[in-house]
Amino acid sequence: EAGVAQSPRYKIIEKRQSVAFWCNPISGHATLYWYQQILGQGPKLLIQFQNNGVVDDSQLPKDRFSAERLKGVDSTLKIQPAKLEDSAVYLCASSPLADGRAFFGQGTRLTVV
Amino acid sequence: GENVEQHPSTLSVQEGDSAVIKCTYSDSASNYFPWYKQELGKRPQLIIDIRSNVGEKKDQRIAVTLNKTAKHFSLHITETQPEDSAVYFCASREYGNKLVFGAGTILRVKS
Repeated sequence: EAGVAQSPRYKIIEKRQSVAFWCNPISGHATLYWYQQILGQGPKLLIQFQNNGVVDDSQLPKDRFSAERLKGVDSTLKIQPAKLEDSAVYLCASSPLADGRAFFGQGTRLTVV
Repeated sequence: GENVEQHPSTLSVQEGDSAVIKCTYSDSASNYFPWYKQELGKRPQLIIDIRSNVGEKKDQRIAVTLNKTAKHFSLHITETQPEDSAVYFCASREYGNKLVFGAGTILRVKS
């Protein structure tokens, strides 16, 4: 079974630039999560999709972050404009609806300079 | 909203000893409690989980216990080995599949 795929693995941008991350979940997983993990901290949930609908985006900084999962499969997370404090690893995870076990991708390490 | 507290933040044990990490959660609707292991630069990996209708679950050297009344759950690792050294995260899932993580515990196993 293929795992959660994310790209790119690394990204360095200057502050005020924009960046996008892509995630392809495990086939058949209805729930997709985007987490932000700052060095030394636990993953913080940014947004949760169930199929192509948003279940929770209460901690997503909506003035600069956006995410979509148009066809209920892969998803993109965008930051525009980026700030220095956005430097983190952005993790995507997916979960079957009934089971609930979440599996993570390798993450995208973002550095904002 | 959901909050998960995890203790201790760092734990050093001698190889062969046991390690225990504890988490508490606030939402009584939480019904699923996974534990993840994250090695440096790698993705979090699910190592064991427990559902709210079970009090204890064991898989070889690792076990998880759940006390729903007190709203806490614990990870137990016996006969620790150097390869157990990593960051361990607990998580709690509330209604709607929202998965909230603790801050993590750095486990160091000294040989």
